[in-house]
Amino acid sequence: AQSVTQLDSQVPVFEEAPVELRCNYSSSVSVYLFWYVQYPNQGLQLLLKYLSGSTLVESINGFEAEFNKSQTSFHLRKPSVHISDTAEYFCAVSEQGAQKLVFGQGTRLTINP
Amino acid sequence: EAQVTQNPRYLITVTGKKLTVTCSQNMNHEYMSWYRQDPGLGLRQIYYSMNVEVTDKGDVPEGYKVSRKEKRNFPLILESPSPNQTSLYFCASSFWSGGGSAEAFFGQGTRLTVV
Repeated sequence: AQSVTQLDSQVPVFEEAPVELRCNYSSSVSVYLFWYVQYPNQGLQLLLKYLSGSTLVESINGFEAEFNKSQTSFHLRKPSVHISDTAEYFCAVSEQGAQKLVFGQGTRLTINP
Repeated sequence: EAQVTQNPRYLITVTGKKLTVTCSQNMNHEYMSWYRQDPGLGLRQIYYSMNVEVTDKGDVPEGYKVSRKEKRNFPLILESPSPNQTSLYFCASSFWSGGGSAEAFFGQGTRLTVV
């Protein structure tokens, strides 16, 4: 069965600094990978996803993630964060052939001015 | 506007008093599911449904029931709530992709407290 580990429960950074949120997964079959964002008091929204093709995927608000099959990782990065990026970020995996999403524990990103 | 609507957003109840959390989606999605979110544990799937009258257990189904009589609705039922079911609950829907690739749309969440 697949599993997801987010290595950091909290990540504090200063505004305009770069950030990386780490995600590793475990699965015996091919997977689809997702990052969801949860702003305070809201539901989860899809940030970006890897289904196939280019291993580097980007979101509309400057985040990117790279699928690394050999390291079974899907780390999320942003070169310069903004106060509005303050949220909890969840990495999720879905095995091909199964509709089920398995989530990591979440990483709370806090941006300090 | 495409959305998943949950009600209520907040609920405080007493142990043993049956309750239902409603979930409705307007995207004609086949697949719907319920998750609970607890600190340090992420989201864990409670139940899911692949279509009308087709439901199955997720990872933490004990103490919960669901039904799928219509495509758009997927209520979560707690027959006899207990304090360990105090949590933040999310309903989600997606179209059936044949396995795994479809984006899930989430409701705003229901914060349940059982005293």
